[in-house]
Amino acid sequence: QVQLQESGPGLVKPSETLSLTCTVSGGSISGFFCSWVRQPAGKGLEWIGRIYTSGSANYNPSLKSRVTMSVDTSNNQFSLRLTSVTAADTAVYYCARGPGGRNLDDWGQGTLVTVSS
Amino acid sequence: QSALTQPASVSGSPGQPITISCTGTSSDVGAYNYVSWYQQHPGKAPKLMIYEVTNRPSGVSNRFSGSKSGNTASLTISGLQTEDEADYYCSSFTSSHTVVFGGGTKLTVL
Repeated sequence: QVQLQESGPGLVKPSETLSLTCTVSGGSISGFFCSWVRQPAGKGLEWIGRIYTSGSANYNPSLKSRVTMSVDTSNNQFSLRLTSVTAADTAVYYCARGPGGRNLDDWGQGTLVTVSS
Repeated sequence: QSALTQPASVSGSPGQPITISCTGTSSDVGAYNYVSWYQQHPGKAPKLMIYEVTNRPSGVSNRFSGSKSGNTASLTISGLQTEDEADYYCSSFTSSHTVVFGGGTKLTVL
């Protein structure tokens, strides 16, 4: 059974860069789209973007100028970088995987990232 | 991209059916048969319940079904059970090759 696990700092200062990594075990990321989704406390899901194992990526237009995703197939990991963060970026961040990138079959447990000085 | 429109809340009694709607545009819901539905219990990660409008992943109860007409998709749960009480989110692939979620619907089982 495939498992996804997010890792990274739980606290980021305003104006700095949020960096998270998702490690996939029990299955390969090769041939899959890897996605990031976030959820502020008490609010709905927001799609951040997706990256294919070839490195081709699509991002949410509202975040596109600040987001970069990368993939490391040799270590079965993919990563998220979000620059110039503000308090509005405080959320639980989920990584997820799906064969076509249009639906998210497998999810990590989520990691809370708080933006505060 | 604008979020898909879902009712904020729906409720039903055990054994009854309920339907949750998800309205988008001709650039997302109406453009492709790539609507998904997710169930999220408090403090848990979302779980895929329906993909490509009507398909259920292995292990998902056949009480869950999906449909679409024009720019509106729907999730129907037949024979409500207490464990169905959760938040439900729809999502759609868009013509810009992005994904957009609905605002979410809180289902209460009375």
